[in-house]
Amino acid sequence: GQQLNQSPQSMFIQEGEDVSMNCTSSSIFNTWLWYKQDPGEGPVLLIALYKAGELTSNGRLTAQFGITRKDSFLNISASIPSDVGIYFCAGQKTYNTDKLIFGTGTRLQVFP
Amino acid sequence: GAVVSQHPSWVICKSGTSVKIECRSLDFQATTMFWYRQFPKQSLMLMATSNEGSKATYEQGVEKDKFLINHASLTLSTLTVTSAHPEDSSFYICRALALELNNEQFFGPGTRLTVL
Repeated sequence: GQQLNQSPQSMFIQEGEDVSMNCTSSSIFNTWLWYKQDPGEGPVLLIALYKAGELTSNGRLTAQFGITRKDSFLNISASIPSDVGIYFCAGQKTYNTDKLIFGTGTRLQVFP
Repeated sequence: GAVVSQHPSWVICKSGTSVKIECRSLDFQATTMFWYRQFPKQSLMLMATSNEGSKATYEQGVEKDKFLINHASLTLSTLTVTSAHPEDSSFYICRALALELNNEQFFGPGTRLTVL
């Protein structure tokens, strides 16, 4: 099945550092979503982006919808231990009603 | 907030048996539910789209006779893994669209299937 390319694959950082990850696609999406998944659980929505160029924040998280509609990035500032987990981007052609295509994931490990 | 449940949360079965996984929207109606499969350390891969009252639409490479989907009501979709084999061991997650919440989407907590 189709997947979005996400990088980096994994990150090991110290508490307090900022983190950046991005997601690219060969095709256009009209909605970009960022999820966090803890082991053994379903993904939890962090940020949703609906418009090309849009920059949206949710606490320490900031995400942007690329102008070309083929990419998105997520930044986490001042990381804390509970940020540990796997972060997935997901693209959607049509708002909410369409299937979600997931990125390959970025595994984040935060050391105190 | 809107909640989606899955049952069972985990299941272990012998090779050759069939396993049914339920996805239920607890406080909203869901005309559409999606089923995903996630192998260890991998991403979520869409298996099929389930619409209430009609046949499911399967993604390329997913055997519809092996993964039976029934969406008989607006709050319940079931995925049955027939004649399960060890390679079917995976984490199965459903996603539901809330009809009355402008199709806002909610994921279930997942079901871990282990086939011995």
